[in-house]
Amino acid sequence: ETGVTQSPTHLIKTRGQQVTLRCSSQSGHNTVSWYQQALGQGPQFIFQYYREEENGRGNFPPRFSGLQFPNYSSELNVNALELDDSALYLCASSPRDRPYEQYFGPGTRLTVT
Amino acid sequence: SQQGEEDPQALSIQEGENATMNCSYKTSINNLQWYRQNSGRGLVHLILIRSNEREKHSGRLRVTLDTSKKSSSLLITASRAADTASYFCATEGGGLPDKLIFGTGTRLQVFP
Repeated sequence: ETGVTQSPTHLIKTRGQQVTLRCSSQSGHNTVSWYQQALGQGPQFIFQYYREEENGRGNFPPRFSGLQFPNYSSELNVNALELDDSALYLCASSPRDRPYEQYFGPGTRLTVT
Repeated sequence: SQQGEEDPQALSIQEGENATMNCSYKTSINNLQWYRQNSGRGLVHLILIRSNEREKHSGRLRVTLDTSKKSSSLLITASRAADTASYFCATEGGGLPDKLIFGTGTRLQVFP
């Protein structure tokens, strides 16, 4: 078990709605990354936050946005949900001096109907 | 896009046998990592190998890296039913060492 927690565990939303997913980083980690994992695929990098600012983004549209708070917890927001957004969303935290050490949370399973 | 491609996509073996998974990647790297994922849950870091290393061991795990062929392999010796999971290789991308690019994964099933 890592010290990274995510909520909720499962979520069902309707196409066009908005969703907020939450992540609490491991203590001492000031960098958080979000990944989307479609069924049967490897995780794909969405974006990363460091010191409350976006610090790198993958190939995802602007309707995917995020926040990082002073306590290093984080949110992933997705607007105008599409059916293809159905996936497991993973967050990972890492210490800045060892960025390759990523600790993943258990994920949030989002289903869009 | 996926940087790494694992082979095979799926592997079924009996307990006690060895399991070998391979990963190929496209661009030069500083390091390569292997992760394990149980039943669509969070990923667990297994091992990291740096580009100047050729082989690394951790318990029953042995990882090799061939940068000239842009490939890596993960060997799990004396497998157990509890090793049943998906295994992914990951490399860093886009100049961000903590932006990981994952392969498509190998689904390992170990039968008791």
